[in-house]
Amino acid sequence: GENVEQHPSTLSVQEGDSAVIKCTYSDSASNYFPWYKQELGKRPQLIIDIRSNVGEKKDQRIAVTLNKTAKHFSLHITETQPEDSAVYFCAASRNGQNFVFGPGTRLSVLP
Amino acid sequence: NAGVTQTPKFRILKIGQSMTLQCTQDMNHNYMYWYRQDPGMGLKLIYYSVGAGITDKGEVPNGYNVSRSTTEDFPLRLELAAPSQTSVYFCASIDRGQGRSPLHFGNGTRLTVT
Repeated sequence: GENVEQHPSTLSVQEGDSAVIKCTYSDSASNYFPWYKQELGKRPQLIIDIRSNVGEKKDQRIAVTLNKTAKHFSLHITETQPEDSAVYFCAASRNGQNFVFGPGTRLSVLP
Repeated sequence: NAGVTQTPKFRILKIGQSMTLQCTQDMNHNYMYWYRQDPGMGLKLIYYSVGAGITDKGEVPNGYNVSRSTTEDFPLRLELAAPSQTSVYFCASIDRGQGRSPLHFGNGTRLTVT
């Protein structure tokens, strides 16, 4: 079955700097890759997603890149703000069915 | 739309007790899922359902049971609670008719077994 790895497990950046979180997946048939943000005590919320027919997608300060050949995808957050502090999860899915999640990255944005 | 609603929000169980975690969605989504999230960890799939009357095991189904008698409801049953089932449980749904679309999560149920 699918296996998703995520690095780093924790990440601290200064406010205004960029943050990058990387995920790798094992199933070459996976074709949908969402990213979720989870604040303490809250439910995961979708922040951006990418489909396998696209190499990059951007939404304001957030971007995701996908390398299908290498089977990895990354989340990029620019101009980080304190409210970006949270746990971020990547996930991989085949045709939008069962989702396999990475273990998460705890991002801390230091003022 | 209320989205995905889970009850209760919190529960403490004694070892060996049983309970049902309720999940209902009002978006007419066909796919529904139960995940558990242990402290500091990712989400593990317990059970899922692709429609009323159909359920399947996920990655960690032992100790749990589910049913899907209606499109809206997908309850999760714990028959003999064990300390290893202490976790936060999230129900989620998706409309597969929309192709590849994201999961909609409920607010979670925090369960402690002592």
